[in-house]
Amino acid sequence: NAGVTQTPKFQVLKTGQSMTLQCAQDMNHNSMYWYRQDPGMGLRLIYYSASEGTTDKGEVPNGYNVSRLNKREFSLRLESAAPSQTSVYFCASSVDRPQGEKLFFGSGTQLSVL
Amino acid sequence: GNSVTQMEGPVTLSEEAFLTINCTYTATGYPSLFWYVQYPGEGLQLLLKATKADDKGSNKGFEATYRKETTSFHLEKGSVQVSDSAVYFCALSGTYKYIFGTGTRLKVLA
Repeated sequence: NAGVTQTPKFQVLKTGQSMTLQCAQDMNHNSMYWYRQDPGMGLRLIYYSASEGTTDKGEVPNGYNVSRLNKREFSLRLESAAPSQTSVYFCASSVDRPQGEKLFFGSGTQLSVL
Repeated sequence: GNSVTQMEGPVTLSEEAFLTINCTYTATGYPSLFWYVQYPGEGLQLLLKATKADDKGSNKGFEATYRKETTSFHLEKGSVQVSDSAVYFCALSGTYKYIFGTGTRLKVLA
């Protein structure tokens, strides 16, 4: 099994450009998440989807939108990239709601906004 | 709200040294507690977990005990190896989401 697959692995954008980060999981998980990782700040939740058809804001949702396209796929869109969005982005999934559940992570997308 | 505080790194140890990485938490209710490890260039992966007070999670020689009285979940290993060099994250999960600590970088020297 591939687990959680993220694309692309690296991306450089200019300020104001838009892009979509793709994430897919093949484990039939209900819940999916987008995190960003910044030095000294750990992982911060951007958006999550408890189940297909639902999405909710996390700690740092401003500047981002998400789509839970189906049970497998959960994409993150930056409509107008800003330098403050330079970060490493991780997609994750879990069988169900996070209480007691293990998170499975993708290998990350390193994004630089110039 | 819920929060996790873990010791700042980096932590540098010689091979076969004893490791402790401190983690304390603040939470309402009864969260589950986790340690995740991140190797260079990779996503996080679960190292161990504990779901109720006094539970001990263990994996690959690492251990942590869920201490409700001290709200702690310290990570320990009796003898570290060079291959343990990574970033370690303490985390708790409530009903709807995870809260991660800021991570502690461990470097083990041969």
